[in-house]
Amino acid sequence: EVQLVESGGVVVQPGGSLRLSCAASGFTFDDYTMHWVRQAPGKGLEWVSLISWDGGSTYYADSVKGRFTISRDNSKNSLYLQMNSLRTEDTALYYCAKDATRTQGWSYYFDYWGQGTLVTVSS
Amino acid sequence: NFMLTQPHSVSESPGKTVTISCTRSSGSIASNYVQWYQQRPGSSPTTVIYEDNQRPSGVPDRFSGSIDSSSNSASLTISGLKTEDEADYYCQSYDSSNHQGVFGGGTKLTVL
Repeated sequence: EVQLVESGGVVVQPGGSLRLSCAASGFTFDDYTMHWVRQAPGKGLEWVSLISWDGGSTYYADSVKGRFTISRDNSKNSLYLQMNSLRTEDTALYYCAKDATRTQGWSYYFDYWGQGTLVTVSS
Repeated sequence: NFMLTQPHSVSESPGKTVTISCTRSSGSIASNYVQWYQQRPGSSPTTVIYEDNQRPSGVPDRFSGSIDSSSNSASLTISGLKTEDEADYYCQSYDSSNHQGVFGGGTKLTVL
């Protein structure tokens, strides 16, 4: 059974930093591209970032480019999101999501999602 | 960059059929696959349609997807509505020009 478990969400002040983690199990982690998707309270879904199966390719939404960094440790079956220069508009539930395409590609079809970790940016 | 536009809300009675549209602002709707996700309150999204019209295993055939190049839109149709279908539905695609995922704003489906 595929499981994605996010952690690291806390209350942080504007301008602060935070690292989110996602522990994956139930599938061959290093075969799959992974994503972060977020949802502000009461709002819709927003794609945040992608990292390829080998970490060689990363892409970001314009809203986070230059402030967030996605990474992965395939030896630990873990995905990360380093968030710097946080703004109040970054307040959201952050989901880790698995891409459905196996190896050497991505489809932006998110076939499994975690339960999310809440990041609140507030003074 | 393109946008996906959905109606904010739709409502229909149990047993009826409802269609939710998702219109792409620029570029062809057929350029990249469209997925549809269902999100019930307090839960993570789950897929009801992927690759325009494919249903994951476990999703009832009451759910169907299509694309229409003439209106540059995708549609999710749910027939034989049940109260359990009440949820938010999001369309989603991919902008290959900048390697970014794109979600529609979501549609709240009320079944009453």
